[in-house]
Amino acid sequence: DIQMTQSPSSLSASIGDRVTITCRASQGISNSLAWYQQKPGKAPKLLLYAASRLDSGVPSRFSGSGSGTDYTLIISSLQPEDFATYYCQQYYNTPWAFGQGTRVEIK
Amino acid sequence: QVQLVQSGAEVKKPGASVKVSCKASGYTFTTYYLHWVRQAPGQGLEWMGMINPTGGNTTYAQNFQGRVTMTRDTSTNTVYMEVNSLRSEDTAVYYCARGIITLDYWGQGTLVTVSS
Repeated sequence: DIQMTQSPSSLSASIGDRVTITCRASQGISNSLAWYQQKPGKAPKLLLYAASRLDSGVPSRFSGSGSGTDYTLIISSLQPEDFATYYCQQYYNTPWAFGQGTRVEIK
Repeated sequence: QVQLVQSGAEVKKPGASVKVSCKASGYTFTTYYLHWVRQAPGQGLEWMGMINPTGGNTTYAQNFQGRVTMTRDTSTNTVYMEVNSLRSEDTAVYYCARGIITLDYWGQGTLVTVSS
C-alpha cells in the first residue's frame, strides 16, 4: 500500500503570507494526487487534482506542483477563509490514501 | 445540483452493527463510483472503500475487509455502508463521496458513536 506523509503537521501564518505544504508518497504516483481543504465540522472540499489542476471555483492563489513521489501545495497569499486543515490524497492505486493533514492556524 | 444526503447520527453498543445510507441526486447515479471515508474525533481522513453503482463491484481497504459491506440500490440512487462488530475505535464521522479519480462531492457526514 502507498503511504502519504505530509509536512508540517501544523503551521502558524499571517494574512498575506505565502504558505507551502508538502506531501511525499512512499512510491511514485505519476501526479495522481489531489488536495482537499477541511474546515471544522464540515466535509472536505476538493481543491486540486492531477497534482496541479484547480477544481472549478477554487481561487487562483492555490497552486500545486510536483512529480514522482514529492508534491507541494502553495497558497500564495493567505486569506482569512484559508485557515483550515489540508490533506493530500493519492489515487494512483487502491487503497486510496490520505496524508495525515496540515493544520493552518492564525499567527 | 449534485447532492449526497446521508442518514442521521447513530449510537450503538460494542458488538452491534450500523448501516449508513447515502442518497445521490443531481447526476446520473451509475456514472460515478461512491466512496466511504471516515474521520475519528480530532483525527485525519481514512479511506474505507468504494462501490461501482453500475454492477455493485466493491473494493475495500485492508483494515475494513470482512467487517464492512457496501451495497447500492439503483432504484433509489442510494448506497449503503454497513459496519459489523463495532468497537469503540469505530466512533467517527462517516462520509460518502462521489468520484472516479478524485472525490468531488461529499455527503454531510454521519456521526456513529460506539459506547456501552
